[in-house]
Amino acid sequence: SYELTQPPSVSVSPGQPASITCSGDNLGNKYVCWYQQKAGQSPVLVIYKDRKRPSGMPARFSGSKSGNTATLTISGTQALDEADYYCQAWDNSAVVFGGGTRLTVL
Amino acid sequence: QITLKESGPTLVKPTQTLTLTCTFSGFSLTTSGVGVGWIRQPPGKALEWLALIYWDDDKRYSPSLKRRLTITKDTSDDQVVLTMTNMDPVDTATYFCAHRIPPELGGREFDPWGQGILVTVSS
Repeated sequence: SYELTQPPSVSVSPGQPASITCSGDNLGNKYVCWYQQKAGQSPVLVIYKDRKRPSGMPARFSGSKSGNTATLTISGTQALDEADYYCQAWDNSAVVFGGGTRLTVL
Repeated sequence: QITLKESGPTLVKPTQTLTLTCTFSGFSLTTSGVGVGWIRQPPGKALEWLALIYWDDDKRYSPSLKRRLTITKDTSDDQVVLTMTNMDPVDTATYFCAHRIPPELGGREFDPWGQGILVTVSS
């Protein structure tokens, strides 16, 4: 079955940029989206179609993709950005989520 | 404004069948391209996609759980129902339903999500 691989954890200091990667076979030919999930809450879409931001999402959230690796970048990370982040893609009409990355803002 | 809310039992016994209902508003499941999906999350673990139903009644299931899942829709009541048979303690999780954005508006992502319902499987 298709898999998306994310690092389990990323730590960042307030005000610094944070990058979270997501890799998978042939990911370069699939759209990737990213969700933010804060403790006890439902996931919220932060990036779709690799690099697009939903209306109202702060500009410090950005997405990119190179080859088979997608990256979510948070510039000027704030304490309120501390959360779990999940990438998601489609493979043969099935939805696949990455294993999630816990972002800690130290 | 699109909203979704999950409802159903919060405690089921092993081997029982779980039936969950997603009641939504702000969109119609008769609109071309629209879908509603179910996703679950065991405590402290990652998201896992379960099933998806489209406006045209096309249905997709997680390959690993396909034998146990059925998804249906009631467009008159704006509801989507998920049934999962032969429940086991490992199925203990928060179950979310979510609106799948039509391809012409996005990349087929889920937005927004319901609040989720925690289902515990225990005798």
